[in-house]
Amino acid sequence: LQLQESGSGLVKPSQTLSLTCAVSGESISNVRYSWSWIRQPPGKGLEWIGYIYQSGSTYYNPSLMARLTISLDRSKNQFSLNLKSVTAADTAVYYCARLLVVARNPRFDNWGQGILVTVSS
Amino acid sequence: DIQMTQSPSSLSASVGDRVTITCQASQDIDNYLNWYQQRPGKAPQLLIYDVSTLETGVPSRFSGSGSGAEYTLTINSLQPEDIATYFCQYYDNLPFFTFGPGTKVNV
Repeated sequence: LQLQESGSGLVKPSQTLSLTCAVSGESISNVRYSWSWIRQPPGKGLEWIGYIYQSGSTYYNPSLMARLTISLDRSKNQFSLNLKSVTAADTAVYYCARLLVVARNPRFDNWGQGILVTVSS
Repeated sequence: DIQMTQSPSSLSASVGDRVTITCQASQDIDNYLNWYQQRPGKAPQLLIYDVSTLETGVPSRFSGSGSGAEYTLTINSLQPEDIATYFCQYYDNLPFFTFGPGTKVNV
């Protein structure tokens, strides 16, 4: 299994951050899993952003919900993140991760390498 | 909201030492607890899930325990490749995922 993030590494304030996670070695339609985004500001801890089920249902961190969209592209076996109206506080390494959901205690069992996104004019 | 703390925030130990990291929740989290290892410059990796189950490929010198609001990650016989930051993670059925602030282990 491989997850690979891609997208713009530099976004201007007030614009939209857009990232894609290409998944290989597993179908994003597998009902055992959901597909997640997690971020980590430089030198800081991890923050869960949200995830999308294979059905297309989404669950978002309430602190980001108003600005956030996560979507699936089954034809390309990938999923995407759009975060609008960004500020410097959104500067972080963004990770995509597979979330094993067929468990009492879901867990992020595979992660992408991460992509640094800087919000700056 | 349930808050997660970890102690210590960082530690230095020698190769061969036994290292213990504690993750404390603000209330009983009913064993919804996982641990991740993040080596410098790398993505986090699942280390232990469901409090004490080692992820496939994780060396047996790692172990997890705990219940209620307090959980522990132990590394027996610390190795140089264990230099990393360790995060606990709690799952809330809302759903919501909370990570602890991390413990940086130096050798």
